[in-house]
Amino acid sequence: AQSVTQLDSQVPVFEEAPVELRCNYSSSVSVYLFWYVQYPNQGLQLLLKYLSGSTLVKGINGFEAEFNKSQTSFHLRKPSVHISDTAEYFCAVSMDTGRRALTFGSGTRLQVQP
Amino acid sequence: NAGVTQTPKFQVLKTGQSMTLQCAQDMNHEYMSWYRQDPGMGLRLIHYSVGAGITDQGEVPNGYNVSRSTTEDFPLRLLSAAPSQTSVYFCASSLRQGYNSPLHFGNGTRLTVT
Repeated sequence: AQSVTQLDSQVPVFEEAPVELRCNYSSSVSVYLFWYVQYPNQGLQLLLKYLSGSTLVKGINGFEAEFNKSQTSFHLRKPSVHISDTAEYFCAVSMDTGRRALTFGSGTRLQVQP
Repeated sequence: NAGVTQTPKFQVLKTGQSMTLQCAQDMNHEYMSWYRQDPGMGLRLIHYSVGAGITDQGEVPNGYNVSRSTTEDFPLRLLSAAPSQTSVYFCASSLRQGYNSPLHFGNGTRLTVT
């Protein structure tokens, strides 16, 4: 079975400061990793994904994430956040075999303050 | 481009009532799914379909039924609503099942069961 842990339920940060949202996963097989963002009263949108290749993945809106196999982590980073980045962020994992359904973490609410 | 459309946006039910949450997509996607989102628990998969006439259970299927008679529509039925089904429900679709097809989400249905 696969699981995803997002260690921080809320992350407050000031505008233009850097931010890191943490995600750890567990799986006995190879996985594919995703970050989704949910703005208020909307559905989720894909930010970025890691399938294979370079462990540093760049996504939309200036976000990037690094896959670390030895630490089973896929942390999301942005060097300078904007007020408009205030949203909930979900890490998700899909196994390489079988049904490949996405398993989501519990989410991290990023609150950017002026 | 409508994408994934969910109706209604809000619904209040009494215990024991039945209702159907509607989901339609206009992208000719093979794969459709239903998730529920609860505070602190992320999104959990209820049911999914890999094509017309084919459905399967997800992580939390009890109390819900689905059918897929057309490629476009994937309704979720609650036969006898319970307070534990109070949640936000998201429909999501992708071109096909698999890691390389990103999910497209609707804007959700907020259901309250009293």
